[in-house]
Amino acid sequence: EPEVTQTPSHQVTQMGQEVILRCVPISNHLYFYWYRQILGQKVEFLVSFYNNEISEKSEIFDDQFSVERPDGSNFTLKIRSTKLEDSAMYFCASMLGSSGTGELFFGEGSRLTVL
Amino acid sequence: SQQGEEDPQALSIQEGENATMNCSYKTSINNLQWYRQNSGRGLVHLILIRSNEREKHSGRLRVTLDTSKKSSSLLITASRAADTASYFCATVLTSGSARQLTFGSGTQLTVLP
Repeated sequence: EPEVTQTPSHQVTQMGQEVILRCVPISNHLYFYWYRQILGQKVEFLVSFYNNEISEKSEIFDDQFSVERPDGSNFTLKIRSTKLEDSAMYFCASMLGSSGTGELFFGEGSRLTVL
Repeated sequence: SQQGEEDPQALSIQEGENATMNCSYKTSINNLQWYRQNSGRGLVHLILIRSNEREKHSGRLRVTLDTSKKSSSLLITASRAADTASYFCATVLTSGSARQLTFGSGTQLTVLP
């Protein structure tokens, strides 16, 4: 069964360092998303991406964050200068599109720990 | 403001019993979805109910939607220990172009063997 894959599963970084989280969405999906979940808290929307551009972004997704789909298969989230409060689980998700059911398929997440 | 809020925050039942979780939301929705998350894992889609539907079944799951009360419930019948997980409702708003999901805070379900 097709699945969304994310790497790395866990990354530890020093405050102020740049981090890139990678995702390979399901191949025929058209909508891509990043969500994050701080430990013990709710899943929060960061950004959605469609047709090679950002569709919507939340207040969390400030200038320190960026997304890219560099090669038609990978979908990356970059945090330029990490802060302690960026420590969270980051989930990538994809959706088929308007012809689909509206279901999002999530990856297993990348746990980011900022020291 | 919180779009989706689940109730209760935590629920503990015996295997074989039914588990009911509720979700309330504030604004008009296109559809409402329920997801499950095992500890430390990704979210898995369980069921989707559209705004013009009132009830939907999938295996041991039954979802209801009351748009007049802006609420939904998820019923898991004949629960199993393997159903232990966090359950989240998520809404897709009628406005917005990218069909983003807004998640509630979740119900932690524990099914005791």
